[in-house]
Amino acid sequence: EPEVTQTPSHQVTQMGQEVILRCVPISNHLYFYWYRQILGQKVEFLVSFYNNEISEKSEIFDDQFSVERPDGSNFTLKIRSTKLEDSAMYFCATSERDEQFFGPGTRLTVL
Amino acid sequence: AQSVAQPEDQVNVAEGNPLTVKCTYSVSGNPYLFWYVQYPNRGLQFLLKYITGDNLVKGSYGFEAEFNKSQTSFHLKKPSALVSDSALYFCAVRDIYTGTASKLTFGTGTRLQVTL
Repeated sequence: EPEVTQTPSHQVTQMGQEVILRCVPISNHLYFYWYRQILGQKVEFLVSFYNNEISEKSEIFDDQFSVERPDGSNFTLKIRSTKLEDSAMYFCATSERDEQFFGPGTRLTVL
Repeated sequence: AQSVAQPEDQVNVAEGNPLTVKCTYSVSGNPYLFWYVQYPNRGLQFLLKYITGDNLVKGSYGFEAEFNKSQTSFHLKKPSALVSDSALYFCAVRDIYTGTASKLTFGTGTRLQVTL
């Protein structure tokens, strides 16, 4: 069964550094999403992406965040200057129609 | 704005007994409703969805959910719980009028603990 994959599984970075989180969507899916889950809290929407542009973004998704599909397969989330409060599990999700399928997540730790 | 409430932080049930995990929602229009399960250190796995039609929907691993429009609820159920069902369960909603690429809004999650 096709799966969403994410790399790395765990990223440790220093505050102020840039990180790029990568996702490989299921091949025939056209809609892409990033969510995050701070430890012990609920899953929060960050951004959705369709047809090479952002469809919707949350208040969390400020100017330090960006998304792109650099090579038509990978879907990336870049955090330009990480903050301590960016420490969370970041999930990529993709969909063809209604249900979204989630990757295993990248645990980002900002020190 | 759409929202989801899962009133129970934890549900405890003995193996073999029926289980219910509660969810209520709020959307401006008609809802698309989903249940996901999260095992430790794993992503969210899709269990089932309600889009339209029969109010009782069946999903993976013997789970089902009942959509009740008047009570704005979408409770997850299983007739006979297994120890392996122990996990974190999330209810989620999407407003059907905001397009296919629109976000899911999740509840806070309910931890299901099934004991022998």
